[in-house]
Amino acid sequence: ETVMTQSPATLSVSPGERATLSCRASQSVNSNLAWYQQKPGQSPRLLIYGASTRATGIPARFSGSGSGTEFTLTISRLQAEDFALYYCQQYNDWWTFGQGTKVEIK
Amino acid sequence: EVQLLESGGGLVQPGGSLRLSCAASGFTFSSYAMSWVRQAPGKGLKWVSSISGRGGDTYYADSVKGRFTISGDNSKNTLYLQMNSLRAEDTAVYYCARHYSSSPNNWFDPWGQGTLVTVSS
Repeated sequence: ETVMTQSPATLSVSPGERATLSCRASQSVNSNLAWYQQKPGQSPRLLIYGASTRATGIPARFSGSGSGTEFTLTISRLQAEDFALYYCQQYNDWWTFGQGTKVEIK
Repeated sequence: EVQLLESGGGLVQPGGSLRLSCAASGFTFSSYAMSWVRQAPGKGLKWVSSISGRGGDTYYADSVKGRFTISGDNSKNTLYLQMNSLRAEDTAVYYCARHYSSSPNNWFDPWGQGTLVTVSS
């Protein structure tokens, strides 16, 4: 099983600042990686697939990068609605998720 | 608009059974792979099971293999998850999610709103 590890567990950021979230795979997943956003009481929403392609309707302030085992989700200028939980997920070898990074208001 | 609406959750005793349903609309159901993903209270997301478009192939997490069965009814545009021999550790919100194509080897989008399954005596 490919284990996905996200860091940090919690990220405290001020509105308008940049947030950088990391995701590491225990083995190469090539570019078969997605990012999701989940707000309290809501279902997850797809942000990024193919490691760097934004899903339909996702603002340009969200960007993804990386390949192989190291991936990054960057939110360039945090807005109030961006404070949420973020999960990475690989689909190269079955389907596994990271444990999540909570982005909270500093 | 693509919509997924889960139902069938509830309280069940350990060892009991439940069948979850996911009613799909806004797309050609038989052309897409579908999956179930669960989230225990306060925990992260865990993949449970997937089925390819037209139901030719099914996949299960080791934790549910032999107890859960995924299926789809193309005439009703509905995905199911039959859950038997339920355990306390199966307690979670269960989401259904569509894949990008008839193969499930890709991301989940969109997701339904989820249905809560509680296994407790």
